Amino acid sequence: GESVGLHLPTLSVQEGDNSIINCAYSNSASDYFIWYKQESGKGPQFIIDIRSNMDKRQGQRVTVLLNKTVKHLSLQIAATQPGDSAVYFCAEMSYNFNKFYFGSGTKLNVKP
Amino acid sequence: DVKVTQSSRYLVKRTGEKVFLECVQDMDHENMFWYRQDPGLGLRLIYFSYDVKMKEKGDIPEGYSVSREKKERFSLILESASTNQTSMYLCASSPPGPGADTQYFGPGTRLTVL
Repeated sequence: GESVGLHLPTLSVQEGDNSIINCAYSNSASDYFIWYKQESGKGPQFIIDIRSNMDKRQGQRVTVLLNKTVKHLSLQIAATQPGDSAVYFCAEMSYNFNKFYFGSGTKLNVKP
Repeated sequence: DVKVTQSSRYLVKRTGEKVFLECVQDMDHENMFWYRQDPGLGLRLIYFSYDVKMKEKGDIPEGYSVSREKKERFSLILESASTNQTSMYLCASSPPGPGADTQYFGPGTRLTVL
């Protein structure tokens, strides 16, 4: 079956620095990818998505990069703030199989 | 904004009890999902529904059932709760169509089975 994983389970950054969270996926047929943020005690919150026909997408302070050659997804957060502290996880979906597969998450700690 | 609500934030039940977890969404979404979230395992799909009275098994349906009598409401049922069903349960909904994109999540129900 598919697997979606993260390289680093915990990431600590200084406030104001840029953060990069990585995700590896195994299904080369995946068409769609999402990054979610989950704060303690809350449900996952959509951050940004990207389709397989793109390699980069930017939002407000966030950028998602997709490298289909090595099946790698990353989330970049610019000027990281204390409010960015949370668990971030990626999800992949193949439209053929119509289901999402989720990574286990990376915890981002932002030090003031 | 999409709003997905779950009936309880925290729930403690005893082994063998029947447990109902309720989820309601207010965006007229056709698709609704139940996941459980366990440390180190990520979200795992239990059941999902693409329409009223329609349900399909996810990856780990054993020990669970669901009910979708109304479009806005999707219930997860544990017929006889067991300790290995202690987990965080997350409900999600998404716009219509298979392969529909973003899923919107509720706040989660943390269930403890003693």
